[in-house]
Amino acid sequence: AQSVTQLGSHVSVSEGALVLLRCNYSSSVPPYLFWYVQYPNQGLQLLLKYTSAATLVKGINGFEAEFKKSETSFHLTKPSAHMSDAAEYFCAVSDPGNQGGKLIFGQGTELSVKP
Amino acid sequence: KAGVTQTPRYLIKTRGQQVTLSCSPISGHRSVSWYQQTPGQGLQFLFEYFSETQRNKGNFPGRFSGRQFSNSRSEMNVSTLELGDSALYLCASRAFPGVAGSTDTQYFGPGTRLTVL
Repeated sequence: AQSVTQLGSHVSVSEGALVLLRCNYSSSVPPYLFWYVQYPNQGLQLLLKYTSAATLVKGINGFEAEFKKSETSFHLTKPSAHMSDAAEYFCAVSDPGNQGGKLIFGQGTELSVKP
Repeated sequence: KAGVTQTPRYLIKTRGQQVTLSCSPISGHRSVSWYQQTPGQGLQFLFEYFSETQRNKGNFPGRFSGRQFSNSRSEMNVSTLELGDSALYLCASRAFPGVAGSTDTQYFGPGTRLTVL
């Protein structure tokens, strides 16, 4: 069965510092991978996705993620954190064989940005 | 293009009652998925509908049901509410594979916050 593990339920960085949010997946087939962000009292907004094209994926708001099959990882990074990046971030996986209708989510990482 | 809309945004019910939540997908999207979000269990998949048929189902009891209409709008129903059903219910829509310009990306609505007293 597919699963997603996000290391660290809470990450705190200073404004201008590197953001690194970790995501590892387990899947018997090469999956589709996603990062979503959730601001308080809102739904999920897609940051970026990997669907077996380029392994380095660029998303919105300066975020990017690299798919590493050998490490079964899809970590999210941003070179310089802004105060507006404070939110909860979710990594998710879907099985292409399942035609993508079901997403399996990690437990989420809450990102705090200190001034 | 308008995003996914969900109504109502907030709902308070008591144990034993039933509730119906509504979701309107992005125009042209034909698949709708539902998720439950709680602090303890996180985000969990409930079910997916396409062409008025349930295609996938998560591990939830039969009290949770849904349906989809011919215009792709979807409703989710929870009967005999329990305290543990208090959650944010999220709906997501996507274009279906095989349709020109489709993608596997699910786009989420703002959710319905259900509180069961």
